[in-house]
Amino acid sequence: GQSLEQPSEVTAVEGAIVQINCTYQTSGFYGLSWYQQHDGGAPTFLSYNALDGLEETGRFSSFLSRSDSYGYLLLQELQMKDSASYFCAVGHYGQNFVFGPGTRLSVLP
Amino acid sequence: GAVVSQHPSRVICKSGTSVKIECRSLDFQATTMFWYRQFPKQSLMLMATSNEGSKATYEQGVEKDKFLINHASLTLSTLTVTSAHPEDSSFYICSAPARGGAYNEQFFGPGTRLTVL
Repeated sequence: GQSLEQPSEVTAVEGAIVQINCTYQTSGFYGLSWYQQHDGGAPTFLSYNALDGLEETGRFSSFLSRSDSYGYLLLQELQMKDSASYFCAVGHYGQNFVFGPGTRLSVLP
Repeated sequence: GAVVSQHPSRVICKSGTSVKIECRSLDFQATTMFWYRQFPKQSLMLMATSNEGSKATYEQGVEKDKFLINHASLTLSTLTVTSAHPEDSSFYICSAPARGGAYNEQFFGPGTRLTVL
């Protein structure tokens, strides 16, 4: 079977740095993606990691450790508009992506 | 980036009626599209994979006779919720993989909020 775990909620203040963790248990793993979803909106792609290490895209970075079945999304210089739900999603060979339960990020002024 | 549209964005129907939701890739061709359902404050649950020119692949527990999927062209997939009931009320979202079929990056439509009275 497949399972993913994320914290359900995270709160931080503007300008801060926040890390959202994702742990997974799966077979045939080939990559970890991150998506952002604002209330009432559609998910938008943020990043993808297939190899161990850190991928940086502007204020957002994503990390993967395949040996630990663990990844995280790092958001820097938080802005109010970053308040949203963040989902990790795991890709498996021969199967479709499975989304994690999501982490609701609240950014306070 | 690639654009995926959905229509309608919101629909309210009576119990027992059928509702059709369209998903279109506007500036690229999509041989595969995915249909998800999302309940409030929950994650996206994959319902089925829509394949152009062939039958859809349904996830375990999803009734294929209730959720009819048709992928008639390289830019259009439709989901029909037949004999809808209040428990079918949800947010339905489609997506298409990025060019090249990379499933790690998906482009999502804006979603359709279905309310069954």
